[in-house]
Amino acid sequence: DSGVTQTPKHLITATGQRVTLRCSPRSGDLSVYWYQQSLDQGLQFLIHYYNGEERAKGNILERFSAQQFPDLHSELNLSSLELGDSALYFCASSVEPSGGATDTQYFGPGTRLTVL
Amino acid sequence: AQSVTQPDIHITVSEGASLELRCNYSYGATPYLFWYVQSPGQGLQLLLKYFSGDTLVQGIKGFEAEFKRSQSSFNLRKPSVHWSDAAEYFCAVGGTPSNDYKLSFGAGTTVTVRA
Repeated sequence: DSGVTQTPKHLITATGQRVTLRCSPRSGDLSVYWYQQSLDQGLQFLIHYYNGEERAKGNILERFSAQQFPDLHSELNLSSLELGDSALYFCASSVEPSGGATDTQYFGPGTRLTVL
Repeated sequence: AQSVTQPDIHITVSEGASLELRCNYSYGATPYLFWYVQSPGQGLQLLLKYFSGDTLVQGIKGFEAEFKRSQSSFNLRKPSVHWSDAAEYFCAVGGTPSNDYKLSFGAGTTVTVRA
């Protein structure tokens, strides 16, 4: 158990809908990262938040957005869903910023999204 | 830009035999390197990491990896595999301030263990 929790574990929805995925980082971690794992794209970095502020964006679609709240949990919002958005969405957390071992990202169990 | 190549998509190994998974990276500076394992239906678990120092890194579950700068490689090894080692293994580079701490993953290597 990494200490990172994600809910829900599974989500099935229809095209055009909007969903929210939730992540709670490990105790003491200020950074949250979101990744998407799909069969065709592999594991792709989406976005990084540190202490409530967006730090970096990766291959995140404009239909997707995220935020990190004062209690440090994060939500990933996916809207106007398409079939191709079906994937496993991971959240990871780390202490950051500081060098060395604290850069390690610990991953949650993921949320499997199925868009029908 | 940083990137990772895992040349082997799938490896089959007999239980008790040794295992080596290859990883080649591309990174402009001194890399931070990681190996993660994903069991079926599970999340990613960190096996080991390299930041600096000794180029032979020990991890959990009896795994080790060797960083070779001259070959831009960070291969994962285990002397004797167990059936429970059947999983998908991902090599990753990054996690440094210069790249906003994001990780770039390889495509993964699926390991099948036969009895």
